[in-house]
Amino acid sequence: KAGVTQTPRYLIKTRGQQVTLSCSPISGHRSVSWYQQTPGQGLQFLFEYFSETQRNKGNFPGRFSGRQFSNSRSEMNVSTLELGDSALYLCASSWEQVRGSETQYFGPGTRLLVL
Amino acid sequence: AQSVTQLGSHVSVSEGALVLLRCNYSSSVPPYLFWYVQYPNQGLQLLLKYTTGATLVKGINGFEAEFKKSETSFHLTKPSAHMSDAAEYFCAVSDRISGGSNYKLTFGKGTLLTVNP
Repeated sequence: KAGVTQTPRYLIKTRGQQVTLSCSPISGHRSVSWYQQTPGQGLQFLFEYFSETQRNKGNFPGRFSGRQFSNSRSEMNVSTLELGDSALYLCASSWEQVRGSETQYFGPGTRLLVL
Repeated sequence: AQSVTQLGSHVSVSEGALVLLRCNYSSSVPPYLFWYVQYPNQGLQLLLKYTTGATLVKGINGFEAEFKKSETSFHLTKPSAHMSDAAEYFCAVSDRISGGSNYKLTFGKGTLLTVNP
């Protein structure tokens, strides 16, 4: 079974631009979560989607948004990029994520550099 | 909200030596605990997890961790380090999202393990 895939793997943008990142979960998984990883803040929860609905959102500004499609693929969008948005963005999928014991499977991440 | 503390941002061991990576959590309810490993330029890979039952959990690549409720700890160990174990290790707790019925992972800051020949 194929793992979680993320595209693109690397991205360079300039301040003020917007960016869209894509995540394809493991087949059959309906929950997709996004995390931001930076050296200073570590791994932080962005949001989680299930059946095309955002169920929960972390403590990030409204410039960060996402969506999920009927095939469970998810996209994350960041508008008006700032230098501090430079990070590794990780996507994770699981069956439902309604039981805390479920394993989240992570993709390789998209490394975003904002200049 | 729960929190996770990993003591030591960098641990260095010799090949063949014991690996001990420390993790303490704060939780008012029985937690679900995870250890993930991240190799350079890769995502996170699950090493092991504790949900219920046996407090000594065995994972992949010879790693194991013991859940100690009285100490609120979930330290990761491996008897003999290999060069291939060099990576960053993250402890995480499954945190019920406030007002919701589902969960997110709250991670520690990570411990970078270096293995010296």
